[in-house]
Amino acid sequence: GAVVSQHPSRVICKSGTSVKIECRSLDFQATTMFWYRQFPKKSLMLMATSNEGSKATYEQGVEKDKFLINHASLTLSTLTVTSAHPEDSSFYICSASRANEQFFGPGTRLTVL
Amino acid sequence: SQELEQSPQSLIVQEGKNLTINCTSSKTLYGLYWYKQKYGEGLIFLMMLQKGGEEKSHEKITAKLDEKKQQSSLHITASQPSHAGIYLCGAARDNYGQNFVFGPGTRLSVLP
Repeated sequence: GAVVSQHPSRVICKSGTSVKIECRSLDFQATTMFWYRQFPKKSLMLMATSNEGSKATYEQGVEKDKFLINHASLTLSTLTVTSAHPEDSSFYICSASRANEQFFGPGTRLTVL
Repeated sequence: SQELEQSPQSLIVQEGKNLTINCTSSKTLYGLYWYKQKYGEGLIFLMMLQKGGEEKSHEKITAKLDEKKQQSSLHITASQPSHAGIYLCGAARDNYGQNFVFGPGTRLSVLP
């Protein structure tokens, strides 16, 4: 089956710093990847659609300058949380689509002190 | 806006009991997925349904998609403590399998 990895799995950072999260499709190429965020006791919310070679499409209410997405290759998308604040602490999951199916990464827990 | 609704929001059952979780959409679904998650952890893929009337089973879990492809149910037979967690339904907004949305989740607790 298709495998999607995320790195790191957990990250703790100080307020004001930037954090980069990587999402990789290990055994397939994904022209489109997606980034989700989960708030405590809430469902997963789509943040943005990452397209290889072009700008990401952000959902309403998601700050594109805050959450920088780069899809540099067909197997890698990165999400950078810039100038992180405690309210950015959350669980972030990426997914990649292949043949009309979605495959999810294991998620990254971000804690901003 | 939330495009998928789930019921119940939470469920507490005694070990050995059967239970059903429902997922409903006002629009036709292009692929309905069921996942299990322990909060703050990754998603465990359970099943995917694509055709109206489709039914799939894996171990003690059965999922069905209605003919109109707007409602799905997840049924667990003889529940065990290992079934505890959050069950999420997810679906594609379009026929290309992209633009994925999730239901709010159902929190299941199984009492030993």
